[in-house]
Amino acid sequence: GENVEQHPSTLSVQEGDSAVIKCTYSDSASNYFPWYKQELGKGPQLIIDIRSNVGEKKDQRIAVTLNKTAKHFSLHITETQPEDSAVYFCAASRGDTNAGKSTFGDGTTLTVKP
Amino acid sequence: GAVVSQHPSRVICKSGTSVKIECRSLDFQATTMFWYRQFPKQSLMLMATSNEGSKATYEQGVEKDKFLINHASLTLSTLTVTSAHPEDSSFYICSVEQQNTGELFFGEGSRLTVL
Repeated sequence: GENVEQHPSTLSVQEGDSAVIKCTYSDSASNYFPWYKQELGKGPQLIIDIRSNVGEKKDQRIAVTLNKTAKHFSLHITETQPEDSAVYFCAASRGDTNAGKSTFGDGTTLTVKP
Repeated sequence: GAVVSQHPSRVICKSGTSVKIECRSLDFQATTMFWYRQFPKQSLMLMATSNEGSKATYEQGVEKDKFLINHASLTLSTLTVTSAHPEDSSFYICSVEQQNTGELFFGEGSRLTVL
């Protein structure tokens, strides 16, 4: 089955700096890679996703890059703000599988210091 | 606004009692919903796939008689933790997948504490 590894487990940055979280996956058939933000005591929320036919996607301060050959994808947050502090999860799933059955990374706790 | 509503957000119960958690899809009909369990500082663990009008599909190691799932309508799935024990204390989350986009929407989660 799929195996997703996420690094780092914790990340602390100063407000205004950039943050990068990386994930690797094992199943070459995986083609959907979402990123979720989970605030304390709440359910995860999709912040950005990318499919395997695209190498990069950007939405304001958030971007995701995908390297299918190396089987890794990364989340980039620029101009970080204290409200970006949360746990971020990457995930991977195949086209013939529901996104609900995605394999999730172990999460990265991001702390943005004001 | 919220796409998925989960209730209750917090519940405390005595050992041996049963607890029901509801997951409602507010914006679209969902033939499939998903239930997860999350321990502190850990990732989401898929427990089961809830299928409207049929039996749920449980992941390996999840006791189907312990965690009863009912998906009676296209907008509601319920998870019942039967004869709860302290080790069942956890954060339970549901999700709904939008068919057109494949986007996953999560509920706000339910914190279960079994005394």
